[in-house]
Amino acid sequence: DIHMTQNPVSLSAFIGDKVTITCRASQDISRYLGWYQQKQGQSPKYLMYYASNLLSGVPSRFSGSGSGTEYSLTITGIQPEDAATYFCQQCYSYPLTFGSGTKLEIK
Amino acid sequence: QVQLQQSGAELVKPGSSVKISCKASGYTFTSYDMHWIKQQPGNGLEWIGWLYPGNNKTMYNQKFNGKATLTADKSSSTAYMQLTSLTSEDSAVYFCARRAAIGPNWFAYWGQGTLVTVSS
Repeated sequence: DIHMTQNPVSLSAFIGDKVTITCRASQDISRYLGWYQQKQGQSPKYLMYYASNLLSGVPSRFSGSGSGTEYSLTITGIQPEDAATYFCQQCYSYPLTFGSGTKLEIK
Repeated sequence: QVQLQQSGAELVKPGSSVKISCKASGYTFTSYDMHWIKQQPGNGLEWIGWLYPGNNKTMYNQKFNGKATLTADKSSSTAYMQLTSLTSEDSAVYFCARRAAIGPNWFAYWGQGTLVTVSS
């Protein structure tokens, strides 16, 4: 199984800050990485695919990068509505696996 | 639009079984795999497996072999997951999910989740 290590576990930011969440795979996943946002009590929302491609309707303050085993999600200019837990997920091979999540708190 | 409507919360006893449902609408049910994902309180997400309603083919995460059984009813566009020999470790929210129209298995569509609580 491919293990996804996500850091940090939690972070706190002010409105307008820039934050970066990292996701490390236990083996090369060739950019088969997606990102999700989950708000309290809701289902996850699909944000990004192939590591850096934003879904339609996702604000441009979200961006992604990475290759091989190292990936990151950056939010530039945090907004109040970005308070959520963010998960990465690889679909390079079965079983599909997720990172453990990063909880973003807005100060 | 694609919608996945799951059945309601379940309170079940240890050792019993539960079957939860996911009714799909807004697309051709037999054209896409239906995936199931487990989320324990405060924990991350675990992929359980998928079923392709077109031919009832399934693939499971080995961790859930013997625990989860996926089925579907094409006539009602409904997918099911049965969980057996329930323990407290099975208490979780379970989601059904479908990938986007194009691309591999990232989940563009999610049900609202079904909370399963295992307690005597």
